[in-house]
Amino acid sequence: EAGVVQSPRYKIIEKKQPVAFWCNPISGHNTLYWYLQNLGQGPELLIRYENEEAVDDSQLPKDRFSAERLKGVDSTLKIQPAELGDSAVYLCASSLGGSGANVLTFGAGSRLTVL
Amino acid sequence: ELKVEQNPLFLSMQEGKNYTIYCNYSTTSDRLYWYRQDPGKSLESLFVLLSNGAVKQEGRLMASLDTKARLSTLHITAAVHDLSATYFCAVYYTGNQFYFGTGTSLTVIP
Repeated sequence: EAGVVQSPRYKIIEKKQPVAFWCNPISGHNTLYWYLQNLGQGPELLIRYENEEAVDDSQLPKDRFSAERLKGVDSTLKIQPAELGDSAVYLCASSLGGSGANVLTFGAGSRLTVL
Repeated sequence: ELKVEQNPLFLSMQEGKNYTIYCNYSTTSDRLYWYRQDPGKSLESLFVLLSNGAVKQEGRLMASLDTKARLSTLHITAAVHDLSATYFCAVYYTGNQFYFGTGTSLTVIP
């Protein structure tokens, strides 16, 4: 079974440029998450989707960040324009949701460097 | 505000020694997860603890959950170099919400 796939793995851009990250979750996983991880810290939620609906985007800086989940499967996270402080790893994760073990499975992450 | 605190943040231990990492959380939950992260890699699931008193063991690692105390522990027995990594606990809240601790960076030295 394929895991959570993210691309690109690495991205270097100049400040004020746009950038986009893509995520393909595990097949059948209805819940998709985008987390931000700064160096030496734990993941922090940016947005959570249940199918195609964004149910928690309270921590997403909406002035520059946007996200979408097409047809409840793949998702894209965009930053426009990027700032120096956006340098971090952007992690996508998915889960089945609901009761039971409901393990969160992470992708490899997209490391962004803003110069 | 939901808080998940881990201690210690940094742990340097000798091979063969035992130690415990603690995870405290501020709001009632009956489900907790432990993850491992190697440098430059993503998070890998280690344990899922689904009820009060749950205990899971894998090799030299053992995790437990006390929901009344809002505390989980990750115990390391006879540490080996391969266990060097950062360990995160994550608390689950209703509605598929996961909140992560600050992480414990473990270095096992010969």
